[in-house]
Amino acid sequence: DGGITQSPKYLFRKEGQNVTLSCEQNLNHDAMYWYRQDPGQGLRLIYYSQIVNDFQKGDIAEGYSVSREKKESFPLTVTSAQKNPTAFYLCASTPGSGQNSYEQYFGPGTRLTVT
Amino acid sequence: AQSVTQLGSHVSVSEGALVLLRCNYSSSVPPYLFWYVQYPNQGLQLLLKYTTGATLVKGINGFEAEFKKSETSFHLTKPSAHMSDAAEYFCAVSPMNRDDKIIFGKGTRLHILP
Repeated sequence: DGGITQSPKYLFRKEGQNVTLSCEQNLNHDAMYWYRQDPGQGLRLIYYSQIVNDFQKGDIAEGYSVSREKKESFPLTVTSAQKNPTAFYLCASTPGSGQNSYEQYFGPGTRLTVT
Repeated sequence: AQSVTQLGSHVSVSEGALVLLRCNYSSSVPPYLFWYVQYPNQGLQLLLKYTTGATLVKGINGFEAEFKKSETSFHLTKPSAHMSDAAEYFCAVSPMNRDDKIIFGKGTRLHILP
């Protein structure tokens, strides 16, 4: 079955450590996205990538970094510069073109807890 | 610029009663509109979408929504609530011209009372 996988489901880290969240898709989608979700705040866009080797900052990119070396992979690194990293992180993808290019497909999410 | 407003962060309905979740949007260009559902500790799943054509859109699990351009609304309804409908629901808007990205509302948590 095609879909998006995120690993791990739960992640615990000590303050001051960088941590990388994995996102892999086998949908052959061109665009990929990272969102952060906090209670009552909806989804906030961190970074997105529309093609391989290219990505753009979203609304809350500070303290985060990404790479897009392969079409199917879009890992997110939460750096020690992120002031409040504890949150639920969601990865999504969309097809590159056509009417359905606006529909986002989501992974199951990674809950990161930093203490 | 686009925006999405979901009225009510929490909505409670009795099992078997009508479900109505409200969504209003603003968009400077014709929008695509979406409703997503999220169960606890899971990703978002598409319930339904409006792109073009018929303004009454049917989705999964018995949900439907109507695009009303004059009211800039895209409210989600279900005639009879089921316990399994308890979840968080997100309305989203995306412009057809792709100059802007998809924007999500802050979500409405639906509680089903026995």
